[in-house]
Amino acid sequence: GAGVSQSPSNKVTEKGKDVELRCDPISGHTALYWYRQSLGQGLEFLIYFQGNSAPDKSGLPSDRFSAERTGGSVSTLTIQRTQQEDSAVYLCASRPDRAAGNTIYFGEGSWLTVV
Amino acid sequence: AQSVAQPEDQVNVAEGNPLTVKCTYSVSGNPYLFWYVQYPNRGLQFLLKYITGDNLVKGSYGFEAEFNKSQTSFHLKKPSALVSDSALYFCAVNQAGTALIFGKGTTLSVSS
Repeated sequence: GAGVSQSPSNKVTEKGKDVELRCDPISGHTALYWYRQSLGQGLEFLIYFQGNSAPDKSGLPSDRFSAERTGGSVSTLTIQRTQQEDSAVYLCASRPDRAAGNTIYFGEGSWLTVV
Repeated sequence: AQSVAQPEDQVNVAEGNPLTVKCTYSVSGNPYLFWYVQYPNRGLQFLLKYITGDNLVKGSYGFEAEFNKSQTSFHLKKPSALVSDSALYFCAVNQAGTALIFGKGTTLSVSS
């Protein structure tokens, strides 16, 4: 597609359940990011994939969070045993390559509510 | 470590007046600086960026930003605000091999 696509756009889950959030980056983009935006908060970096390199996982808040990127394209962010504090908007973004000056483009986000 | 500060949580301006949204940064090398805008219940939209060259950068929707290396600032400006400019604005900094780091955001409210 023309932009970064995320699904689901909204997800309500019960505390303790696992959730998967999907990101389809712009075609050909080698860099992919996940960010979290909590209500009234800024953007918190979670994880960064660049091509075939090992991902930068330094932003993942706990071992309940994991992400993978298959075939250098689609990425899935998994949250295990969800907690209420996981409620947030999860934003995916992609960039053409590793060049720091290139623009990063964001999807519309996946709104997660843990009840 | 790189960081970005947006000292104002909210900026209020009357329609037609000039607006400024402030941003300062801290990096160890050359910065790549970005401004994004977020409308309610939407993702982030790219406005403009500074890589190198002219310190005054022009972007979408009539916005511009001035890079000031001595003051480590990258303030967002617009000569004449519109009510439709009301949104959440994020400044961000990037360096090679790292993730884009964002400020906490500034809510811009333009009154008619």
